[in-house]
Amino acid sequence: EPEVTQTPSHQVTQMGQEVILRCVPISNHLYFYWYRQILGQKVEFLVSFYNNEISEKSEIFDDQFSVERPDGSNFTLKIRSTKLEDSAMYFCASSPGTGGLPRLNSPLHFGNGTRLTVT
Amino acid sequence: KQEVTQIPAALSVPEGENLVLNCSFTDSAIYNLQWFRQDPGKGLTSLLLIQSSQREQTSGRLNASLDKSSGRSTLYIAASQPGDSATYLCAPYNFNKFYFGSGTKLNVKP
Repeated sequence: EPEVTQTPSHQVTQMGQEVILRCVPISNHLYFYWYRQILGQKVEFLVSFYNNEISEKSEIFDDQFSVERPDGSNFTLKIRSTKLEDSAMYFCASSPGTGGLPRLNSPLHFGNGTRLTVT
Repeated sequence: KQEVTQIPAALSVPEGENLVLNCSFTDSAIYNLQWFRQDPGKGLTSLLLIQSSQREQTSGRLNASLDKSSGRSTLYIAASQPGDSATYLCAPYNFNKFYFGSGTKLNVKP
């Protein structure tokens, strides 16, 4: 069964450094998402992406964050200057869709996440 | 903003019991609702998706119900097994995103 893949599984970085988290969504999916989960807390929405642009972003997704689909398969999340509070598990997800809306009877598929540790 | 609450926060039961996990949400204008399973240190696995027009959805030993007007969903797990031990998350979909509850951490003892 097709799956969402994320690399790396664990990334350690120093405060102030830039990190890029990578995701390969399921190939025929059109909607892409980043979520994060701080240890012991809820899964939180960061950003959704469709048709090569951001559809929606949360208040967490400030100017330090950016997303890109550099080619037909990868979907990346960049954090420009990491802070200690960016330490979390970052999940990529994708879903199929047509006509500007996710297909509402199709589930959201998540990757296994990248654990980001900022020291 | 959608708020999602899951009760209980944790549950420990002997193998074989039938279980009920509850989810409530504040905004009933949802398109669908998904139940996920999360194993420690892992991603989220989709278990069931109920569209807003549906009342129930079943997959194997799992049955999810949805009462959209009252903002509630319930996940029933029949004949629980130790392999069911995980955190179960409820996520209604509206405003172009899924909102997650804090989950119910389930431990099924052999």
